[in-house]
Amino acid sequence: EDKVVQSPLSLVVHEGDTVTLNCSYEVTNFRSLLWYKQEKKAPTFLFMLTSSGIEKKSGRLSSILDKKELFSILNITATQTGDSAIYLCAGTPFYNTDKLIFGTGTRLQVFP
Amino acid sequence: EAGVTQFPSHSVIEKGQTVTLRCDPISGHDNLYWYRRVMGKEIKFLLHFVKESKQDESGMPNNRFLAERTGGTYSTLKVQPAELEDSGVYFCASSRNRVEQFFGPGTRLTVL
Repeated sequence: EDKVVQSPLSLVVHEGDTVTLNCSYEVTNFRSLLWYKQEKKAPTFLFMLTSSGIEKKSGRLSSILDKKELFSILNITATQTGDSAIYLCAGTPFYNTDKLIFGTGTRLQVFP
Repeated sequence: EAGVTQFPSHSVIEKGQTVTLRCDPISGHDNLYWYRRVMGKEIKFLLHFVKESKQDESGMPNNRFLAERTGGTYSTLKVQPAELEDSGVYFCASSRNRVEQFFGPGTRLTVL
């Protein structure tokens, strides 16, 4: 059965710290990996990765995919309290790119 | 552009009762998805509409769940009769291009 595993489950840091969130996947005929940020209610899209080794960046957030080792990381540098959220990782198979297979998420708490 | 909206935010019902959840996608988005997160577990795919047609309903748990999207605009998800294990957060998402899915804030369903 396809699955996505995220670690750690929870992370508590101080503002200014850099964090790395991990996502490993076992998805049949893997197509892409997506990262979402869920602050209060609706998950919001961060990145979609389809190619190995190509970093995607958005401000202080960056992400990379390793299709050989079947994992992705999400880095957040110089964390701020506004980064506190649940970060969700999801894989999609080639046969159905609409079907997001989510991990349980990493809860990040950033304290001043 | 207004986001995906869901109604109600929270519903508390007794086992055996019927509940109907509603999702209004972003205008112009032909693709509409339902997901569910049961406490402590990952968000799981339920089904996918393209306009009014069910493209994939492989994630629907059983025949107590009925999803409709008459006219290809808003969608409803009915649970009848509700069981305790149906409790969770039901998310709706919509997409124009089937790449990025925009999520709604979810409906929290509590079955007592």
